[in-house]
Amino acid sequence: RKEVEQDPGPFNVPEGATVAFNCTYSNSASQSFFWYRQDCRKEPKLLMSVYSSGNEDGRFTAQLNRASQYISLLIRDSKLSDSATYLCVVNEGNRLAFGKGNQVVVIP
Amino acid sequence: DVKVTQSSRYLVKRTGEKVFLECVQDMDHENMFWYRQDPGLGLRLIYFSYDVKMKEKGDIPEGYSVSREKKERFSLILESASTNQTSMYLCASSLPGSEQYFGPGTRLTVT
Repeated sequence: RKEVEQDPGPFNVPEGATVAFNCTYSNSASQSFFWYRQDCRKEPKLLMSVYSSGNEDGRFTAQLNRASQYISLLIRDSKLSDSATYLCVVNEGNRLAFGKGNQVVVIP
Repeated sequence: DVKVTQSSRYLVKRTGEKVFLECVQDMDHENMFWYRQDPGLGLRLIYFSYDVKMKEKGDIPEGYSVSREKKERFSLILESASTNQTSMYLCASSLPGSEQYFGPGTRLTVT
């Protein structure tokens, strides 16, 4: 099976700091990429799509590197409410491949 | 907004019982999915469907079956529940090749 790999962490981040993490994928034919956020005991929710040119949504920036087959997510000015698990997701035809997630804990 | 609903948030069943988990989406999505999520194992795909009456096995279909009689509804069936099927079950739907939207999940405990 093609895989999506993430370092589970946890990433302990002081409030106000910047945190970044990567995800690698093995299927070079993948065309769509996403970051999802999952809070404890809740369902995953789409955070943002990842475009070839990179994209930014407020304090969140996503990048795609096709040559090296990785996706990154950067969170600036971390808030306590950013504490969650961030799932890297890669489209594989009619299904999505999910990483196991990067756990982020923002510390006051 | 896309809405995906699941029939129960919490469910407790006994070993050997037949269990039905229902999922309904209201966005006319072609694709629907059933996952289970366990600590340390992430999301694992059980079955998916890309059209009415169509189904495809995911990565862990053993012990499960599905039914898709209508476009908006996708049911997961545990023919004879076992304790190793205690898990969080998540349903999702999507347009082909697009992001998936999840229901709130059903936390199933099999005793």
